[in-house]
Amino acid sequence: KNEVEQSPQNLTAQEGEFITINCSYSVGISALHWLQQHPGGGIVSLFMLSSGKKKHGRLIATINIQEKHSSLHITASHPRDSAVYICAGAGVAAGNKLTFGGGTRVLVKP
Amino acid sequence: NAGVTQTPKFRVLKTGQSMTLLCAQDMNHEYMYWYRQDPGMGLRLIHYSVGEGTTAKGEVPDGYNVSRLKKQNFLLGLESAAPSQTSVYFCASRSWGGKVSSGANVLTFGAGSRLTVL
Repeated sequence: KNEVEQSPQNLTAQEGEFITINCSYSVGISALHWLQQHPGGGIVSLFMLSSGKKKHGRLIATINIQEKHSSLHITASHPRDSAVYICAGAGVAAGNKLTFGGGTRVLVKP
Repeated sequence: NAGVTQTPKFRVLKTGQSMTLLCAQDMNHEYMYWYRQDPGMGLRLIHYSVGEGTTAKGEVPDGYNVSRLKKQNFLLGLESAAPSQTSVYFCASRSWGGKVSSGANVLTFGAGSRLTVL
């Protein structure tokens, strides 16, 4: 059983819409990473958070430690935001190995 | 500052051939990881290292070996390639310790290496 669950698997939005991607994780995860991967492209780390909220441009990531839940929000979405977004939980053991969610494929239509 | 560099970017092998993927980072990161990404499977950890001279197995280590003789380099070897090892391989590195709020521990990925085994 995957310790990190993401939803939805796929999401289509119109340009300008507000997008939310959810990530739930299990016990033993000390921090949550949000990653972005464009089609055929590399993987970029967007955020790492262990509490509260972080904002970078139109992207906002929040985490609720008690509920073991994190969300990634994209405000005023744009076609260039089309990508796969992946959440990954970092374990507390040595090496802080990541457990990856299945990814959310986001398509923003103009 | 190049970040994480993977070589080669593309390679085609025949079954049974051997090869080595090189990951180099110039950020003085302690932790380094090798992942493979397959359609519908997401990223899976092959091997990782928490420091120079140390390596450990991840989720899918069979058929691969690794070495970390220098802190900046993490090598992934395939001794006898099989078609099941056709995949895109990603290397990543991160620092250890420090406050999350200061930006420590953020992962940096290489651009990926696409390997095809015929």
